[in-house]
Amino acid sequence: EVQVVESGGGLVQPGGSLRLSCAASGFTFSRHWMRWVRQAPGKGLEWVANINPNESEKYYVDSVKGRFTISRDNAKNSLFLQMNSVRAEDTAVYFCARDGVPAAGDVWGQGTTVTVSS
Amino acid sequence: QSALTQPASVSGSPGQSITISCTGTSSDVGGYNYVSWYQQYPGKAPKLMIYEVSSRPSGVSNRFSGSKSGNTASLTISGLQAEDEADYYCSSYTTSSTHVFGGGTKLTVL
Repeated sequence: EVQVVESGGGLVQPGGSLRLSCAASGFTFSRHWMRWVRQAPGKGLEWVANINPNESEKYYVDSVKGRFTISRDNAKNSLFLQMNSVRAEDTAVYFCARDGVPAAGDVWGQGTTVTVSS
Repeated sequence: QSALTQPASVSGSPGQSITISCTGTSSDVGGYNYVSWYQQYPGKAPKLMIYEVSSRPSGVSNRFSGSKSGNTASLTISGLQAEDEADYYCSSYTTSSTHVFGGGTKLTVL
């Protein structure tokens, strides 16, 4: 079964750090762009970042540039999001998704919840 | 990176057709044929319904169709069914090599 499963969410204080993980299975992970998308409570979807198969290209939404870093380990079929200097507005469910078709996420995880609060 | 513009809500009766619009700029929707649409039920993950403006992934009903004219993309759902009641989001690739979503549209089946 083709799937991705997020983990690593939790409660973090403002200014703190958190590392999210996404474990992929059922497909050749190393061939696909991957992305992170978040959804704040009661709000819409927001694209956060994406990464190409060999990590040579990484792109971010302006609001997380310089604070978040996307990375991957193709040997372990895993995607990561390192979140530093977190803010209250980073509170959201974070989804990992595969770009299995051009410029669109076709396989999504169930998400992991990040809460930034003191 | 401004969000694409979608109506907050649309509604229709079973069997009818509805269309959800998604307006951007020449830097996103109008500049690329990389518009996608997602369906999301409360508390669930998004599901891809349309990609590259009008292509349907395997398994998605042909009642769902997409189109684009200029800076505005559209999702049409024909033969509306109760199970179509959900939130719908459009998304586009941008000139910054990033992606942007619309604010979302809540579809109510009357």
